Amino acid sequence: QKEVEQDPGPLSVPEGAIVSLNCTYSNSAFQYFMWYRQYSRKGPELLMYTYSSGNKEDGRFTAQVDKSSKYISLFIRDSQPSDSATYLCAMSDYSGGYQKVTFGTGTKLQVIP
Amino acid sequence: DTGVSQNPRHKITKRGQNVTFRCDPISEHNRLYWYRQTLGQGPEFLTYFQNEAQLEKSRLLSDRFSAERPKGSFSTLEIQRTEQGDSAMYLCASSSQGATEAFFGQGTRLTVV
Repeated sequence: QKEVEQDPGPLSVPEGAIVSLNCTYSNSAFQYFMWYRQYSRKGPELLMYTYSSGNKEDGRFTAQVDKSSKYISLFIRDSQPSDSATYLCAMSDYSGGYQKVTFGTGTKLQVIP
Repeated sequence: DTGVSQNPRHKITKRGQNVTFRCDPISEHNRLYWYRQTLGQGPEFLTYFQNEAQLEKSRLLSDRFSAERPKGSFSTLEIQRTEQGDSAMYLCASSSQGATEAFFGQGTRLTVV
């Protein structure tokens, strides 16, 4: 079993829809949770970063962490065609530094105009 | 400084040849990381440097792979005697010490034919 599980998709939604992207994990020591956006043939770009449980909002993006369920989510409101990309979750206990970050496989999102 | 820079962006090589990639991190970052990403997977950690010291190497980094960061600035990743299984995107990231996030470059896409 992988430490981080993420549905690869693809997920297709109409423009304006609310998108929900999710990851589950097995390592209870994880306490830093990140979401990256990766456009085709580009490097990952950090979108959101949260520590421990709770919600964090940034514009149209909301990140949620439920440590009791070992489940994290990224919500995108009013989705736009420019949101079409692969979304990677990543997490770490950070005891040893960023090199200990574990990435999910990514969910490919397509927002249809 | 516009971020992490990687060169070349694409490299096609014949099996058995040696290849070298270069990464220029964000100038004030003393930590530099190399990752490999294959199609449909998240980035996998290869190795990282703090200044010029290579502090950790993944089991993924076989003897054919070597990385250097001679002056604590740019880094090179060399693959000797390339194999088809080495075909992947090679990503570089950098961070400042103690930071909980790293910034990725655009990657070098290697195709071994």
